[in-house]
Amino acid sequence: EIVLTQSPGTLSVSPGERATLSCRASQSLGSGNLAWYQQRPGQAPRLLIYGASSRATGIPDRFSGSGSGTDFTLTISRLDPGDFAVYYCQQYGTSLTFGGGTKVEMK
Amino acid sequence: QGQLVESGGGVVQPGGSLRLSCAASGFPFSGYTMYWVRQTPGKGLGWVALISNDGTVKSYSDSVTGRFTISRDNSKNTLYLQMNSLTTDDTAVYYCVRPYTAAPGAFHIWGQGTMVTVSS
Repeated sequence: EIVLTQSPGTLSVSPGERATLSCRASQSLGSGNLAWYQQRPGQAPRLLIYGASSRATGIPDRFSGSGSGTDFTLTISRLDPGDFAVYYCQQYGTSLTFGGGTKVEMK
Repeated sequence: QGQLVESGGGVVQPGGSLRLSCAASGFPFSGYTMYWVRQTPGKGLGWVALISNDGTVKSYSDSVTGRFTISRDNSKNTLYLQMNSLTTDDTAVYYCVRPYTAAPGAFHIWGQGTMVTVSS
């Protein structure tokens, strides 16, 4: 099973600032079958990024994904109040697994 | 872009059974492989089961194989999850999920979730 390790566990950021989240895979994901999700309290996860770097429909360009192989990054360029949430990465190259999440909290 | 509405969650004793349903609308349900995903505070998000668009291919995570059965009725636009021999480890919010058209392994449309609590 491919294990995804997200860091940091919690990120404290001020509104308007940039947030950088990391996801490391225990094995190479090759072409980048990696997705990122946002989950606000009491809500289901929302797909942000697929294929490591492609934004899903309706996702603002403040969200960007990058990376390949085993190291991937989600960047939120300017944090809006609604962006304070938990973010998960997920690989779908070999079976399906999720990372443990990064909580982005207001500083 | 579509909507999914789960139902059937509740409190059940260990060893008991429960059947979850998921009503789909707003998209061609019979054209999509569908999934059940669950979320627990301790173990986070995890894939439970998938079923191909025509119901002929089914797959399960190791933790539920032999106990859970996924099925679908395309005439009713409904997905099901029959859960037997439940244990406390099955306590979770269960989501019905539709994948993204451009990336079949990424989960695009999620239901609101239904809570399953296994407790004596």
